[in-house]
This record gives sequence, C-alpha cells and structure tokens, in this order.
Amino acid sequence: QSALTQPASVSGSPGQSITISCTGTGRVVVTDDLVSWYQHHPGKAPKLMIYDGNKRPSGVSNRFSGSKSGNTASLTISGLQAEDEADYYCCSYLGSGTWVFGGGTKVTVL
Amino acid sequence: EMQLLESGGDLVQPGGSLRLSCAASGFTFSSYAMTWVRQRPGKGLEWVSAISGTGGNIYYADSVQGRFIISRDNSKNTVYLQMNSLRVEDTAVYHCAKGRGERWLPHHWGQGTLVTVSS
Repeated sequence: QSALTQPASVSGSPGQSITISCTGTGRVVVTDDLVSWYQHHPGKAPKLMIYDGNKRPSGVSNRFSGSKSGNTASLTISGLQAEDEADYYCCSYLGSGTWVFGGGTKVTVL
Repeated sequence: EMQLLESGGDLVQPGGSLRLSCAASGFTFSSYAMTWVRQRPGKGLEWVSAISGTGGNIYYADSVQGRFIISRDNSKNTVYLQMNSLRVEDTAVYHCAKGRGERWLPHHWGQGTLVTVSS
C-alpha cells in the first residue's frame, strides 16, 4: 500500500511555529521536488501552499515553508495566525500524471 | 480571474451513473491538464483522474479505473467526469483542478460538487 502518513492534528498558539510531518510508505518515495502541500478550509477550494518541496506560489505568505529529511517531508508555519486554522495535506507524485495525498492534518490555533 | 466551477453532483442509487462538469474561465484552457480529486465524508483528499490539455493522455486511480471516464471539450472550456457503476464509497465532494507543469500538479481548484450514492 502506497501512502503518505501525517499526524491527525497539530496545535499551537498565535505567534508560535508548528511543523507538520509527512512520511512516505510503500512505493511512495518523498523527494525534494515531488512534494506539495495544500491548505483546505472545509467547504472551500483547497489552496496550493508549497510545491516542489519548498517553493511558494505567488501570493502565499513566506510564513509557510517546506523541507525534507530522509523519507519525511515537513511543512512549517511560523508566526501562527488564526486564519491558518485549517486542514493541511501533503501530496507526492507517483508518476504518469498521478498523485497521492496524505491523510490530512487538522491545525488548531489555540 | 481564473475560475473553476463544478456542477452535476446529485443523489444517485448504487449502480447508477452521473456526469460531473467543470467549467473553466480566466486561462487558456486547452493549454493545461485538468484533474479530478475527491474528498469522502470525514476523509482526506484522493486523486481520481487527470487528462492532458489535448485529451490525448488520460490517467485513473485504481479505485475508479473501468468505471469512470474523464473527457474534455476545449471549445467549451469544460472537463467532464462520467461516473458509472457508482458505489456507496464513491460518495464524496468532487473537485476539479488545473494542472501545473509537466507533472500536472493540481494547482488551482474549484469548490467542488457533492455526489451522494445511496439507496
């Protein structure tokens, strides 16, 4: 079974930094240029926050950053704000135009 | 401004069929691959299918292979998902997304349309 494993939830206080991990299992190899991260407020359209491991699309705050260590990718949100409360998904390329998503992490701002 | 608007979601019985549409605007539609991604109730995102800008290359997740058909009409700036032999587990919000780059990374997304499969 190919999958990406994320923690179910992460929380932090305003102004703090939090990190969400994403570990590849099975045939999913987490590489620097194949991991993306999405922010999803329920009922809204998911938003691409990080692509190619650590690149931010135009308009995304530099408080969001991506990194990788071994087969685990991470999304760090610094200077946590109330508006950052959402679900976050990592995503990795499997080849031939196909992608696999992690199970999602609910971020709570205390 | 780029927009993606999904439609066609409905309540359908197991074994039934449904066709979803995604109308695009604000970009050169035929130049981009398009993707469908779904979210089952209480679950995470699941990649479903993707189609190249010309329609010549198509991919499906194993969970829908042989039951779903993705297509596009570049004259109407619309991508479709024909869903056949629907199962209860196909119940989900279906989002379409514009692909980015050579790997068709789902970039800009629509808000989705709800498909409920139930008797």
